[in-house]
Amino acid sequence: DTAVSQTPKYLVTQMGNDKSIKCEQNLGHDTMYWYKQDSKKFLKIMFSYNNKELIINETVPNRFSPKSPDKAHLNLHINSLELGDSAVYFCASSQTETRGWSGNTIYFGEGSWLTVV
Amino acid sequence: DAKTTQPPSMDCAEGRAANLPCNHSTISGNEYVYWYRQIHSQGPQYIIHGLKNNETNEMASLIITEDRKSSTLILPHATLRDTAVYYCIVPMNTGFQKLVFGTGTRLLVSP
Repeated sequence: DTAVSQTPKYLVTQMGNDKSIKCEQNLGHDTMYWYKQDSKKFLKIMFSYNNKELIINETVPNRFSPKSPDKAHLNLHINSLELGDSAVYFCASSQTETRGWSGNTIYFGEGSWLTVV
Repeated sequence: DAKTTQPPSMDCAEGRAANLPCNHSTISGNEYVYWYRQIHSQGPQYIIHGLKNNETNEMASLIITEDRKSSTLILPHATLRDTAVYYCIVPMNTGFQKLVFGTGTRLLVSP
């Protein structure tokens, strides 16, 4: 069983379109993330949700809207796609520590390759 | 996040130990050191983490210096499948995880 699964794995679309990437985790984690990896291979966090509530929102255009229907799902909707949105988008999840802090091991999905033409 | 510094690339012969260094001289006393890797065209994969004691798991060993300003990830018997970019990360102690990935070390394991 895949722990963090994303669909679609590949997506080619035209500029101006609206598209969604879905993510599901079966690890029972309470926190989910979206990361973006651009053509230069830099991996940057975009959003994080904890128990369906937004807790991290980096400087991301309003065209990107995450939605978390429940703590096992975090979908990413992108409006009016631009050429610069072409990247690999990684979904991830972790379990928040309730006692002390040791960091949280984050588990990543396999990525969704988005190409805007 | 505490800034980390890693060499951009390293080579290792298959079957040999790969020792990947990381400097994190601004680390705070309660901040952990995490290592992840990203194999080509895959999602990042957790390897190991530690606070001040050396750690070992089925994938690797983590050696942290006594002053905690640097650490070394050791892959004891590197295989071709260990070719990847290795990231050393010190997340902020904020209660919620926010990994900041640098450029990492590109490890090439050759036959």
